[in-house]
Amino acid sequence: EPEVTQTPSHQVTQMGQEVILRCVPISNHLYFYWYRQILGQKVEFLVSFYNNEISEKSEIFDDQFSVERPDGSNFTLKIRSTKLEDSAMYFCASSPPGQGADTEAFFGQGTRLTVV
Amino acid sequence: AQTVTQSQPEMSVQEAETVTLSCTYDTSESNYYLFWYKQPPSRQMILVIRQEAYKQQNATENRFSVNFQKAAKSFSLKISDSQLGDTAMYFCAFTMMNRDDKIIFGKGTRLHILP
Repeated sequence: EPEVTQTPSHQVTQMGQEVILRCVPISNHLYFYWYRQILGQKVEFLVSFYNNEISEKSEIFDDQFSVERPDGSNFTLKIRSTKLEDSAMYFCASSPPGQGADTEAFFGQGTRLTVV
Repeated sequence: AQTVTQSQPEMSVQEAETVTLSCTYDTSESNYYLFWYKQPPSRQMILVIRQEAYKQQNATENRFSVNFQKAAKSFSLKISDSQLGDTAMYFCAFTMMNRDDKIIFGKGTRLHILP
């Protein structure tokens, strides 16, 4: 069964460093998302991406964050100058084309980011 | 703005019992989807069940079913014959019927199935 793949599963980085979280969405999907979940808290939307541009972003998604689909298969989230409060689980998701009852976001297994 | 509220932070039930998780939401829209996601200790997000708002019939998926009350904006999840593997965090979620619209999650209910 096709799945969304995220790498790495766990990344530890020093405060102030840049990190890139990688995602390979399901191959025929057209809509891509990043969410994050701070430990013990709810899942929060960060950004959606369609047709090579950002569709929507939350207030969390400030200039520190950027997304890219560099090669038609990967979908990356870059976090510049990481802060301690960026420590969280980051989920990538993708949705297929079509409408109506096909709506479903498929989530990757997440990348646990620890900023020290 | 749309919101999703889960009023039960944590629940415990004995194996084989039936348990119901509550969820209410707020929206002024008429066309949307509701979901229940399961997050086991592995932290993966797994779709359990989905309900289209325009459908009156409650969705069912094996031991999982929902009670969708559109007028009351209520969307509860019932797990029948609960199993130890059902132990997880359960998130109620909402999205509009646009293809690129974000999913809004509730804070989650931690469910423990006791042997």
